[in-house]
Amino acid sequence: SAVISQKPSRDICQRGTSLTIQCQVDSQVTMMFWYRQQPGQSLTLIATANQGSEATYESGFVIDKFPISRPNLTFSTLTVSNMSPEDSSIYLCSGGDRTLHNEQFFGPGTRLTVL
Amino acid sequence: LAKTTQPISMDSYEGQEVNITCSHNNIATNDYITWYQQFPSQGPRFIIQGYKTKVTNEVASLFIPADRKSSTLSLPRVSLSDTAVYYCLVDLPGGSYIPTFGRGTSLIVHP
Repeated sequence: SAVISQKPSRDICQRGTSLTIQCQVDSQVTMMFWYRQQPGQSLTLIATANQGSEATYESGFVIDKFPISRPNLTFSTLTVSNMSPEDSSIYLCSGGDRTLHNEQFFGPGTRLTVL
Repeated sequence: LAKTTQPISMDSYEGQEVNITCSHNNIATNDYITWYQQFPSQGPRFIIQGYKTKVTNEVASLFIPADRKSSTLSLPRVSLSDTAVYYCLVDLPGGSYIPTFGRGTSLIVHP
């Protein structure tokens, strides 16, 4: 298994600013993902964080708004840029390994409120 | 894309067995079925994974019929602490894994 930590755990930000969320895994994982989850809703995949290359974004999410870095197999960041109140949500990262049939381990999430 | 369908909510009582069924009619030959549990204000947690027939661990059992078009998560003797949202996921084919969470099933366990 892998233990995922995220920083910050929560933040309140002003509209127009940017926030970078960090995700740290305690062991190397082949896959890392970023999700968004509105209260009471399911998880929506934002992107797959690819080590050493550009992230793969899902429909409705673009790099300019959600730039992602993954410099190695244990760390990734997600930036929420030029925030608006609609970006208020919980952001989750996960790590997984193909040798475990894509089982994912999730971080505790970052609760973001944009005023 | 193997879409999954689950009941939106279920209610049970402490000590009962709970069975949550997930439909995945267009599951691919190499797909695995994975179930996650999510408590409020936490990230999802892996419960169990299977490919066919039956899988059991210390937490739950997973039943998968021969046609693999559905799967049933069985929680024996639930307690209040099993109140959570349960999601089933099916791997996507083609070697490029794109995890897709459905709406999940909100299980409420009553005293």
